[in-house]
Amino acid sequence: QLQLQESGPGLVRPSETLSLTCTLSGASIRSDNYYWAWIRQPPGKGLEWIGHIYSSGHTYYKSSLMSRVTISVDTSKTQFSLGLRSVTAADAAVYYCARLTYRGSSYDFFDSWGQGTLVTVSS
Amino acid sequence: SYVLTQPPSVSVAPGQTATITCGGNHIGSKSVHWYQQRPGQAPVLVVYDDSDRPSGIPQRFSGSNSENTATLTINRVEAGDEADYYCQVWDSNNDQVVFGGGTKLTVL
Repeated sequence: QLQLQESGPGLVRPSETLSLTCTLSGASIRSDNYYWAWIRQPPGKGLEWIGHIYSSGHTYYKSSLMSRVTISVDTSKTQFSLGLRSVTAADAAVYYCARLTYRGSSYDFFDSWGQGTLVTVSS
Repeated sequence: SYVLTQPPSVSVAPGQTATITCGGNHIGSKSVHWYQQRPGQAPVLVVYDDSDRPSGIPQRFSGSNSENTATLTINRVEAGDEADYYCQVWDSNNDQVVFGGGTKLTVL
């Protein structure tokens, strides 16, 4: 049974970099049919996809965040990470990591989610 | 960019049928996935590929997709179904995952 666990600072200062890590257990990060994703949810608002990565390092990012986002993978540690630069109050949210199913020509659905971690942006 | 439109809220009495729509341009040509998010919890996949259910999801949950509207239907609604529901697609033209704005289901 796959489990995903987010970790990282719950408080980030404006203009600094938000850094989170997602650790997998119960499944291989090298699985052929899966990508590994970050999704966020500002308080009281909806879900926003940030991006996803394959074990090879191939990534997709949300267009509006592309200039500030980096997602990386460490297969030896069964982890993948999110970096978001130059944060503002608008980046405050619950950040989820999730597994994204990939079926050859389409990136499909998120079938497993972490519990989420709240990140506050404040000086 | 591709946009998915959901009604902000839907209300239904226990035992009745809830219908939540997700509108998008030619959404019928895409695979639509639905998530349930109870307060304070992570989202859970309840329908994928328009109408398939993951293991463990009750048969009361079903989906359809045609032309410009996808629909999540919950039969015999229970109090425990009260949650936010989100639709989601892959926008292959722009290589982006897109979520709808979410619909809050209230069980009266």
